[in-house]
Amino acid sequence: GENVEQHPSTLSVQEGDSAVIKCTYSDSASNYFPWYKQELGKRPQLIIDIRSNVGEKKDQRIAVTLNKTAKHFSLHITETQPEDSAVYFCAATLSGSARQLTFGSGTQLTVLP
Amino acid sequence: GAVVSQHPSRVICKSGTSVKIECRSLDFQATTMFWYRQFPKQSLMLMATSNEGSKATYEQGVEKDKFLINHASLTLSTLTVTSAHPEDSSFYICSAPRGQGWETQYFGPGTRLLVL
Repeated sequence: GENVEQHPSTLSVQEGDSAVIKCTYSDSASNYFPWYKQELGKRPQLIIDIRSNVGEKKDQRIAVTLNKTAKHFSLHITETQPEDSAVYFCAATLSGSARQLTFGSGTQLTVLP
Repeated sequence: GAVVSQHPSRVICKSGTSVKIECRSLDFQATTMFWYRQFPKQSLMLMATSNEGSKATYEQGVEKDKFLINHASLTLSTLTVTSAHPEDSSFYICSAPRGQGWETQYFGPGTRLLVL
């Protein structure tokens, strides 16, 4: 089955700086890679996703890059703000079959004011 | 707005009792729903896949007789924790796939279970 590794487990940045979170996956068949933001005690919220037919996707201050060959994908947050502080999870799955997501272990991002 | 609801949001019960958690898709039909468990400071761990009209598929190590899943309709899946014990205390979250390719997962708000 799929295995997703995520690094780092914790990340502290100064407000305004950039944050990068990296994930690797094991199943070359996976073709859909979402990122979720989870605030304490709340549900995970989808913030951005990427499919395997593109290498990069951007939405305002967040972007995701995908390297299919290396089976790596990364989340980039620019101009970080205190409200970006949360746990971020990457995930991988195979599209088209309602298969379950395999999650990474999570990254606790703290943006220091 | 929220597309998946979950009830109750929080429950405290005595050891040995059973607890039922409901997960509803609000404006779409979900033939498949997923149940996750999340311990503090940990990732979401898939417990089982709930299939409308058929038996749930459980992940390895999850006791199907302890965590009963019923997907009675296209918008409702229930998880019953039978004879709950303190080690079952956790955050239980359901999700339902939606959209092109069914890969986008929408999560319920979660249920915090505390077993005394």
